[in-house]
Amino acid sequence: ETGVTQSPTHLIKTRGQQVTLRCSSQSGHNTVSWYQQALGQGPQFIFQYYREEENGRGNFPPRFSGLQFPNYSSELNVNALELDDSALYLCASRRAADTQYFGPGTRLTVL
Amino acid sequence: AQSVSQHNHHVILSEAASLELGCNYSYGGTVNLFWYVQYPGQHLQLLLKYFSGDPLVKGIKGFEAEFIKSKFSFNLRKPSVQWSDTAEYFCAPFGDSNSGYALNFGKGTSLLVTP
Repeated sequence: ETGVTQSPTHLIKTRGQQVTLRCSSQSGHNTVSWYQQALGQGPQFIFQYYREEENGRGNFPPRFSGLQFPNYSSELNVNALELDDSALYLCASRRAADTQYFGPGTRLTVL
Repeated sequence: AQSVSQHNHHVILSEAASLELGCNYSYGGTVNLFWYVQYPGQHLQLLLKYFSGDPLVKGIKGFEAEFIKSKFSFNLRKPSVQWSDTAEYFCAPFGDSNSGYALNFGKGTSLLVTP
């Protein structure tokens, strides 16, 4: 257990729909990162929030957006879902430039 | 940005065999490196990390890794694997400032340990 929780565990959507995934960070951690892990691949960095501001972004289109709240929990929103968005979405939290602790992930299936 | 290359994508070993998984990174400056493990159906867990100091780093469950700056490598080792080590292993350096120093994962190595 890392203290990082994610909801929901599984989600099925259809192409074109929108989805919101949620993450609660470990206590005391002010930085939350989101990753996409396709089947058989390593996690790919989507974006990162530090104290409610996005401070880093990977190579993902703008339809991937996020929020961080004052309690440092976070949301990942994906608009106009595509089949290739099917993946495990991982949230990780940390304090400053230290070890990231990962949640169990949300498995998104787009039909 | 720092990129990373993991040479072995699939490894099959018998119990008690020795393990070495390769990881090479591209960047010549300050490097912070991690090895994470993902057991079947479980979340990513930290095995070990290198920030500075002794280049031989010891982690959990008997794993260790050696940071060799001249070879840009951070290989993971274990002298004797167990069936319970079956998992996906990921090497990851910190990315650059554009990513907020998020992790830059390799493609991973799938390890299967047979009885």
